[in-house]
Amino acid sequence: EVQLVESGGGLVQPGRSLKLSCAASGFTFSDYYMAWVRQAPTKGLEWVASISYDGGSTYYRDSVKGRFTISRDNAKSSLYLQMDSLRSEDTATYYCTTEVTDAHYWGQGVMVTVSS
Amino acid sequence: DVLMTQTPVSLPVSLGGQVSISCRSSQSLVHSDGNTYLHWYLQKPGQSPQLLIYRVSNRFSGVPDRFSGSGSGTDFTLKISRVEPEDLGVYYCLQSTHFRTFGGGTKLELK
Repeated sequence: EVQLVESGGGLVQPGRSLKLSCAASGFTFSDYYMAWVRQAPTKGLEWVASISYDGGSTYYRDSVKGRFTISRDNAKSSLYLQMDSLRSEDTATYYCTTEVTDAHYWGQGVMVTVSS
Repeated sequence: DVLMTQTPVSLPVSLGGQVSISCRSSQSLVHSDGNTYLHWYLQKPGQSPQLLIYRVSNRFSGVPDRFSGSGSGTDFTLKISRVEPEDLGVYYCLQSTHFRTFGGGTKLELK
């Protein structure tokens, strides 16, 4: 059974940093693309960043470029999102997600609140 | 960036009824490999999104045949027939031909 479990969320002040983690199991992690998607309170889904199976390629939405860094450790079957210079508009639930062939899997999400 | 326009925003329905949700993209979603990467999700309150339809018209494992997807190029539709209480929630389309973009969502609610 595929499982994605996010951690690392919480309350952080504007301008500070936070690092999210996603522990994956139930599939060959090193074979698949991974991504972070977020959802602000009462809003829709927004793709944030993605990373290729080997970490060689990364992609970011414009609003987080230069502030967020996606990375992975295939030996630990883990995905990360380093978030720097956080803004109030980054407040959201962050989901770890992957596409294993035609099956899409999501974690339960982790809340990040950026507020003073 | 590909823009995904999803309509309507809100969709009142009676149980047992039939509804359609539209998703239009700002450019063709046909990939160079010949596939069209347009998918549909349902997000129930307090839950993560769940995949319903992948690549336009393929139902994901366990999804009832009341759900059907169609379309091509830039114009796609999700149809739900014989709506049941567990179908209520917010529906999203997602394109993954050109990176990833979600539609704005359609809230299916009882009349």
